[in-house]
Amino acid sequence: DAGITQSPRYKITETGRQVTLMCHQTWSHSYMFWYRQDLGHGLRLIYYSAAADITDKGEVPDGYVVSRSKTENFPLTLESATRSQTSVYFCASGSGPPNTEAFFGQGTRLTVV
Amino acid sequence: GENVEQHPSTLSVQEGDSAVIKCTYSDSASNYFPWYKQELGKGPQLIIDIRSNVGEKKDQRIAVTLNKTAKHFSLHITETQPEDSAVYFCAAYILTGGGNKLTFGTGTQLKVEL
Repeated sequence: DAGITQSPRYKITETGRQVTLMCHQTWSHSYMFWYRQDLGHGLRLIYYSAAADITDKGEVPDGYVVSRSKTENFPLTLESATRSQTSVYFCASGSGPPNTEAFFGQGTRLTVV
Repeated sequence: GENVEQHPSTLSVQEGDSAVIKCTYSDSASNYFPWYKQELGKGPQLIIDIRSNVGEKKDQRIAVTLNKTAKHFSLHITETQPEDSAVYFCAAYILTGGGNKLTFGTGTQLKVEL
C-alpha cells in the first residue's frame, strides 16, 4: 500500500537500552522528518533528511541518531534511552519546495521505564 | 530560529458556532503557513495553508487569514460539526533557504459539543 508507515506502533523499553523506530514511505519523497510530540510542546523536529545520505539536526537532536541509506527508509535510533524520551514519535515525508505538504505516519508511542 | 505561539490551548464550542485559533510567529522571513488537523490516534494532516503573498484563503467551512505586519495568522472554522473535534496545529516555514523545516505551534484541542 502507498503511504508512510511507522513501526512499531507501541514500544516499552528500559532506561539505557538502544531502540530503533522505523519509518518507510512509498512515494519516493526526497524529504523525511522525525518529530516528537509532547503535551505542551506540540511537535518538535528531531532530525530531517533532504535526500539519501543527507541528514541534519532539528530542534531537539540530542540522544538520537538517524540514517538514510535508502530514499524510502529513515530509521530513528535512541542510543541509550532515557525517561525524558518517553513520547509519541511521528515520521513524515514530503517532496520538498515548492510543494511543502508533509505527510505524517500514524506515530509510535514509546515508553521508557 | 523561528518561534510559533498558538492560542488557545483548548477550545470548546457548541455545534454550529464558529471557532478561531490564533498563532504568532517571530521570523519575518517565514512565508508559508500551514494548518494541520490531528485526530485521535492518528498523525497530523494538512487541512489548509496560506502563503505570504495572500491575506486570506477559504476552503468551504475553513478559512485562514494572515497579517504579515503583525506576524500573526488565524484559522477560522464556521458551522462547526462534531467531526471537527481534534487537535489543530499551526506552523511556519521559510520556503527558500529554510532547510524545509516546519516549526509548529503547541496545538489547540478543539471540542465541538452537541
